[in-house]
Amino acid sequence: NAGVTQTPKFQVLKTGQSMTLQCAQDMNHEYMSWYRQDPGMGLRLIHYSVGAGITDQGEVPNGYNVSRSTTEDFPLRLLSAAPSQTSVYFCASSYGRAFYGYTFGSGTRLTVV
Amino acid sequence: DAKTTQPPSMDCAEGRAANLPCNHSTISGNEYVYWYRQIHSQGPQYIIHGLKNNETNEMASLIITEDRKSSTLILPHATLRDTAVYYCIVRPPGSGGSNYKLTFGKGTLLTVNP
Repeated sequence: NAGVTQTPKFQVLKTGQSMTLQCAQDMNHEYMSWYRQDPGMGLRLIHYSVGAGITDQGEVPNGYNVSRSTTEDFPLRLLSAAPSQTSVYFCASSYGRAFYGYTFGSGTRLTVV
Repeated sequence: DAKTTQPPSMDCAEGRAANLPCNHSTISGNEYVYWYRQIHSQGPQYIIHGLKNNETNEMASLIITEDRKSSTLILPHATLRDTAVYYCIVRPPGSGGSNYKLTFGKGTLLTVNP
């Protein structure tokens, strides 16, 4: 049982490049989400999914795409990286009912130059 | 979701109890209080949650006032490894898209000193 696994842990992109941040969980959790965290700030929700085939936008969705083809995986795509997307990205998952806590991954530190 | 207010920072001596307050005066009757913490450079970690009764687990205790307008997270014997940012979050229960979302504020930086 690995929990929530994020890859890569570190990434440097050039402005305009695209990439996919991977997130996988092996707990059969229905709900998955992506957050970004900027220095001195709390976490902000980018996108979330309540199950395979269902996604929705969070607070800061612009510049990011997601899909949920399986219960286990929830990749985050940066379409055309910008310096403003330099941040630490966290993926989280939970069981459907909100009585349970969320399990977070260890994060991906992204720098866009 | 109800908004929460936490002090930006607190200090605690190692081995002593750490009491972290949270104000949520606009909380609704069905909203739960959740606590998470984030140790430097790591992902947030779930600690505990409650509705109106006091709760305790292996990590901490949660005390919610009778009017539910505030709560206190208690770490009974703080260690250096408890140094982290602690987030208090309120949210409704049950399924439904928006109910899954966690809204993080800036939290309280707890520093445990030797």
